[in-house]
This record gives sequence, structure tokens and C-alpha cells, in this order.
Amino acid sequence: NAGVTQTPKFRVLKTGQSMTLLCAQDMNHEYMYWYRQDPGMGLRLIHYSVGEGTTAKGEVPDGYNVSRLKKQNFLLGLESAAPSQTSVYFCASSYSGARRQLETDTQYFGPGTRLTVL
Amino acid sequence: SQQGEEDPQALSIQEGENATMNCSYKTSINNLQWYRQNSGRGLVHLILIRSNEREKHSGRLRVTLDTSKKSSSLLITASRAADTASYFCATAYTNAGKSTFGDGTTLTVKP
Repeated sequence: NAGVTQTPKFRVLKTGQSMTLLCAQDMNHEYMYWYRQDPGMGLRLIHYSVGEGTTAKGEVPDGYNVSRLKKQNFLLGLESAAPSQTSVYFCASSYSGARRQLETDTQYFGPGTRLTVL
Repeated sequence: SQQGEEDPQALSIQEGENATMNCSYKTSINNLQWYRQNSGRGLVHLILIRSNEREKHSGRLRVTLDTSKKSSSLLITASRAADTASYFCATAYTNAGKSTFGDGTTLTVKP
């Protein structure tokens, strides 16, 4: 299993450009998440999804959009990039199941995408 | 904010010593998790402790949870240079599969 993969690994954008980050997982997880991590800080939740076709806002959703058209993929979009969105972006996924509820909170992370907006 | 807060922010020890880092949070939780992040990499789950558990072990890791003080500690015994990383606690407040991360403790283990 590849686990959680993210593409691209690095990207440099100019202010106002748009881009999409792709996250894919092969663990048949229901839940998927997008976080950003700024230097010396923890992760802040941007958006998350509890299943195919559903998305919800996290702590810092402004300037981002997401889509979960397929269970294994979770896309993060920046419509008009700003320098404040320079960060490392992490995708994660977790299992959801009534009999294994506590496993829902164990998240599996991708390697990250380093984004610089000039 | 409901997020956990780790203490200390940075910790430097010699190989073979024990490392202890703490996490405090503000409201009642379902469970608390600890993750490790090596430089330039994603987070890796280490251990999850439920709100009705007080202590849990995994190899050289020992996690305690004191719900009355709203705090948890992670102890790494007989540390190795390979333990050098940032360690984060994450708290889950509901069954919605969403956790909140602290800012982490950066551990440096000197050979």
C-alpha cells in the first residue's frame, strides 16, 4: 500500500495564480483532511471530509476550496493565491467505523506539499 | 482555542537520557494522540490514549493522561539520536473524527 500520497511535492506560484493539490489514499478511509503548517507551528485544519461527496470547513478555510468526488481522492484548490498561503500543506486520512470508533482519530499523513507564493 | 499546548517548546538531551514532554488542553476530550514529525516529513502516529485510560505503553514510549488536570505527558526512555524530531499532541473532542493539534515540542537528542 502506498498509504497517503500528495502531488505535487513542491510548487512556486505568483500572487493571483491558481492551483490544485491532489491527495490520494489507498486505505479505503472515509475521512480525509487538509492541514497547513507554518514554520515552528502545529497543524491547522483547512477543510475536511467525512465521506465521498461531503466536505466541511475547518479552522482556516478562507481562500481555499475542496472537493471529494471519489472516496480515495481529496483535492485542495487555491483560486487566487496570496503570499499568506505560503506554507507546507499536509493531507491526512482516517478510518471511520462504528465498531472501531476510536480508530477514527488515528490519522495517516502524506509527505506534504511545500508551496511558496511570491 | 481548544487546541492542546505542548511544553516545553524545545528540549535537548544526551543519548540515553529520558525525554518528557507535556500537553495541556482546555475542555473534556474523547481521546488524545501523540504524533512524531521528522524534519521535512509528514506526521506519524505514535500512540492514542482514551479518556478513561490513565497510562499506556508502546516500546520505549509511555503516555499518561490526567483528565482532572487536563494534561498528558509523553515519556521517551533511553533516547536515541533517531528520536530527534518534533512531537505533537492532538485532542479529539467529539466522535466526528476531527482532532486539534498543538504547536509541538522539538526534541534534539545528541549522540
